[in-house]
Amino acid sequence: AQSVAQPEDQVNVAEGNPLTVKCTYSVSGNPYLFWYVQYPNRGLQFLLKYITGDNLVKGSYGFEAEFNKSQTSFHLKKPSALVSDSALYFCAVREADSSYKLIFGSGTRLLVRP
Amino acid sequence: NAGVTQTPKFQVLKTGQSMTLQCAQDMNHEYMSWYRQDPGMGLRLIHYSVGAGITDQGEVPNGYNVSRSTTEDFPLRLLSAAPSQTSVYFCASSEGGRWTEAFFGQGTRLTVV
Repeated sequence: AQSVAQPEDQVNVAEGNPLTVKCTYSVSGNPYLFWYVQYPNRGLQFLLKYITGDNLVKGSYGFEAEFNKSQTSFHLKKPSALVSDSALYFCAVREADSSYKLIFGSGTRLLVRP
Repeated sequence: NAGVTQTPKFQVLKTGQSMTLQCAQDMNHEYMSWYRQDPGMGLRLIHYSVGAGITDQGEVPNGYNVSRSTTEDFPLRLLSAAPSQTSVYFCASSEGGRWTEAFFGQGTRLTVV
């Protein structure tokens, strides 16, 4: 079965600095990877996904993610953090079988201080 | 475009009561699923459906029941509520295929006392 790990419960960064939220995965076959963001008392919003092709994927709100097959990682990045980026971030992977189940990591809380 | 609509937004139940959480999507998506979100545990899959008339269990199905009689609707039934089912519940839908992203409802915050 596929799995996703987010090793950091919380990431703290100053506004204007680059941010990285880490994600590692375990899949059989080709990985289909996703990042979602959750603002307080809201549902999850899709940020970006990796299917195939370029290892650097660009998404919404200036976020991007770097896929690294050898390290089985899919880290979320942003060159310059905003206070409004403070939220809960989830990495997810699709199962390789026909169930298409979407399996989530435990989430990382990003806190951007002014 | 409403997307995925969940009702109710908040609910308090007594132990042993039953209820149904409603989920409807207007995007003609084949795939629908229910998750529960608990602190520090991410989202855990309860049940999912790959099309009308087809459902299957996820990671934490015990105490929950689902059916999918139409493409649009995917209700989640709590058969006999327990305090351990206190959680935030999310419904999601997506087109068929591993490459498709999921769209989420706003969630239902359930408290069982």
